[in-house]
Amino acid sequence: DTEVTQTPKHLVMGMTNKKSLKCEQHMGHRAMYWYKQKAKKPPELMFVYSYEKLSINESVPSRFSPECPNSSLLNLHLHALQPEDSALYLCASSQEGVGGSNYGYTFGSGTRLTVV
Amino acid sequence: KNQVEQSPQSLIILEGKNCTLQCNYTVSPFSNLRWYKQDTGRGPVSLTIMTFSENTKSNGRYTATLDADTKQSSLHITASQLSDSASYICVVAGGSQGNLIFGKGTKLSVKP
Repeated sequence: DTEVTQTPKHLVMGMTNKKSLKCEQHMGHRAMYWYKQKAKKPPELMFVYSYEKLSINESVPSRFSPECPNSSLLNLHLHALQPEDSALYLCASSQEGVGGSNYGYTFGSGTRLTVV
Repeated sequence: KNQVEQSPQSLIILEGKNCTLQCNYTVSPFSNLRWYKQDTGRGPVSLTIMTFSENTKSNGRYTATLDADTKQSSLHITASQLSDSASYICVVAGGSQGNLIFGKGTKLSVKP
């Protein structure tokens, strides 16, 4: 298995809703990442988990809450989002943790999030 | 400042033609350079990855080159197909934390 699987593929939520994005990989990668990508822009790093510990938080608002239940799973919990949070959310994984080799960096297909 | 710059910003070519996309970077320390293809609304898909010692790598009709001295890379697409229409992103791994630094991409449109 050489894939990063993200669910759901599309999500529409209201500003008062609570939802979660899920990401899963079975490549034995020890680092997992969340990115946010607006249209016609490159992905922006949000969070990095290295060996199941949060190692980088790029000053992301608290309405985004990451969780890494185990080395294969990464969640992004969403609460009280704003319309400007609408974007493509990408998950990625790599072989080693922060500071180690990021060879084998693999992206998921993304979740297209629309906040109404 | 660690930066990756790509050119052109957009490109339109006819099906069957070749094209070359450019990437210049100022990232230190340098770990590796990757080219990704991204279809609209989808995640990036890796095309090639090159380390410091590699100066060319092919993946089917895609050939990437790397000149580590001038800090330049190119992606050459041969005999383009309609399905090649996408954004092509140059990404350099490096910097103090080994992060990925993304270029803004080149949007390629292949017309019949």
